[in-house]
Amino acid sequence: ETGVTQSPTHLIKTRGQQVTLRCSSQSGHNTVSWYQQALGQGPQFIFQYYREEENGRGNFPPRFSGLQFPNYSSELNVNALELDDSALYLCASSLSGTANTGELFFGEGSRLTVL
Amino acid sequence: AQSVAQPEDQVNVAEGNPLTVKCTYSVSGNPYLFWYVQYPNRGLQFLLKYITGDNLVKGSYGFEAEFNKSQTSFHLKKPSALVSDSALYFCAVRVYGNNRLAFGKGNQVVVIP
Repeated sequence: ETGVTQSPTHLIKTRGQQVTLRCSSQSGHNTVSWYQQALGQGPQFIFQYYREEENGRGNFPPRFSGLQFPNYSSELNVNALELDDSALYLCASSLSGTANTGELFFGEGSRLTVL
Repeated sequence: AQSVAQPEDQVNVAEGNPLTVKCTYSVSGNPYLFWYVQYPNRGLQFLLKYITGDNLVKGSYGFEAEFNKSQTSFHLKKPSALVSDSALYFCAVRVYGNNRLAFGKGNQVVVIP
């Protein structure tokens, strides 16, 4: 177990709806990253948050947004859901700065199905 | 841009035989390389990493990986595979300057009893 928890584990939405996914990072980790893993693919970087600010973004449209809170927990919000948004969404926490070894600690993921 | 390639979709191996999962990388500068494993309907679990130093890296569950700079490879190995090693294996490289990882497409490993 990594100590990273995500909720919900599964959810079903319809096209056009909005979704919020939540993540609690491992104790002491100040950086949270979100990845999208489509079926049969490797995880794709969505964005990263450090000290409550976005600190890097992958090739995802603005309808993917996020938040990080003072306790380092995080949310991923997706607006105007599309069928292709169906995927496993993974949250990963890590340390930044000199303590960082580049190793990410992943949660179990939230499986989103868009109908 | 930093990237990794996993040329095989699936690797089948008999239980007790050596297991190798291939990965090649493309980076500018010194690479930070990782292997993760994913069991069905689960998140990714860290296996091992290479940052600097010894080219043979030992990790969790008896896995090891060999960094080869001349061949730009970072193959994952296990001397004797177990049925419980059946899973999806991902190679990844850290993108310079942040904690972002670029993952390969993954290799399904099937260990046959």
